[in-house]
Amino acid sequence: DADVTQTPRNRITKTGKRIMLECSQTKGHDRMYWYRQDPGLGLRLIYYSFDVKDINKGEISDGYSVSRQAQAKFSLSLESAIPNQTALYFCATSDLRAPEETQYFGPGTRLLVL
Amino acid sequence: AQKVTQAQTEISVVEKEDVTLDCVYETRDTTYYLFWYKQPPSGELVFLIRRNSFDEQNEISGRYSWNFQKSTSSFNFTITASQVVDSAVYFCALSEAGRDDKIIFGKGTRLHILP
Repeated sequence: DADVTQTPRNRITKTGKRIMLECSQTKGHDRMYWYRQDPGLGLRLIYYSFDVKDINKGEISDGYSVSRQAQAKFSLSLESAIPNQTALYFCATSDLRAPEETQYFGPGTRLLVL
Repeated sequence: AQKVTQAQTEISVVEKEDVTLDCVYETRDTTYYLFWYKQPPSGELVFLIRRNSFDEQNEISGRYSWNFQKSTSSFNFTITASQVVDSAVYFCALSEAGRDDKIIFGKGTRLHILP
């Protein structure tokens, strides 16, 4: 089984709709992140969480909210989707203080907002 | 301000050739981390390496190697004896030490390995 899973993998929605992207991990990592990737660009951080009680805004948090329901689950919500939120969204976990210093990414969710 | 520049937008090489992907960074911090990631055509992201600014030793992992030179603010990535499966977009990234929330990504280099 994958270490980091994202649902749905693909989603088409209409402007103004509220949608939720879900992320689950089996790595036991405290740190979880949501990024978005736009064509021709690298990733930009939306929100991150260092533990269940710690949620922080990233570079581009406007229009998004998150919920850390448990150590293993971190959800991203678009309260009222707009077309410029069309992007590829990645969830990630990390244990960058560990010797192996590795990040794990989910497979991505392709979101299209019409 | 921090910045990561990957000047090579797209590279094509024939299989079995060696190829180097360039990464130049800017930061005022004395302690920072540098990263490389791979994004194959399937779209997933794969973490390849994280390097601490205090550790200028070159890293080798199989056919992959990384050359970190603080004097030129570069963290270049070389693939030896390239294979078709190496075809991907490769991203270099930078973060301040202790600031995992602020990983600055370059725009990526698309690498095509031709059979």
